[in-house]
Amino acid sequence: GDSVTQMEGPVTLSEEAFLTINCTYTATGYPSLFWYVQYPGEGLQLLLKATKADDKGSNKGFEATYRKETTSFHLEKGSVQVSDSAVYFCALMYTGRRALTFGSGTRLQVQP
Amino acid sequence: GAGVSQSPSNKVTEKGKDVELRCDPISGHTALYWYRQSLGQGLEFLIYFQGNSAPDKSGLPSDRFSAERTGGSVSTLTIQRTQQEDSAVYLCASSLSGEGDTQYFGPGTRLTVL
Repeated sequence: GDSVTQMEGPVTLSEEAFLTINCTYTATGYPSLFWYVQYPGEGLQLLLKATKADDKGSNKGFEATYRKETTSFHLEKGSVQVSDSAVYFCALMYTGRRALTFGSGTRLQVQP
Repeated sequence: GAGVSQSPSNKVTEKGKDVELRCDPISGHTALYWYRQSLGQGLEFLIYFQGNSAPDKSGLPSDRFSAERTGGSVSTLTIQRTQQEDSAVYLCASSLSGEGDTQYFGPGTRLTVL
């Protein structure tokens, strides 16, 4: 079945460091891909999405590119801040299916 | 405007008891989803409602779980004869129409079954 695999956390970085959180997926067809973020004590929020191959989603300095050839959707940010500390979830959804399939989440800790 | 709200925020119950969890979606959103977030299973889809159509119940883990949505708005997730493995955070989300729309999540209800 469909699945999403994320790198294990926690990821600990110093402020202004470069961030990469790996995400790969296994799916038949061409799903839409998402990154959601869960800040401490808050609900899940959509961070960015991409709906077809080679699309790049971006928001708040974060970027991810839909790579069909490697079935990946890695999350990157050039310079992280302490306020980026949160749990990040990669997810996929098929048009017509509507339910999101999530990865296990990656906790990011940014130290001042 | 107001986001998705859920109540209660925390619920502690004894094994074998029934519980009801409530979700108020964003006004005007026709699609509503329930997910479960647990340590062992991660985030799992449970059930999906779209307008007046029959719900997609494909994610419900057992017949002890049921959900309804009254008047196309508020939804209640009911777990009968709770078990310890039901302990999790239950998340509700809504979207404008369902088809490819962004899902907006509530803060969740943390259920603990003793």
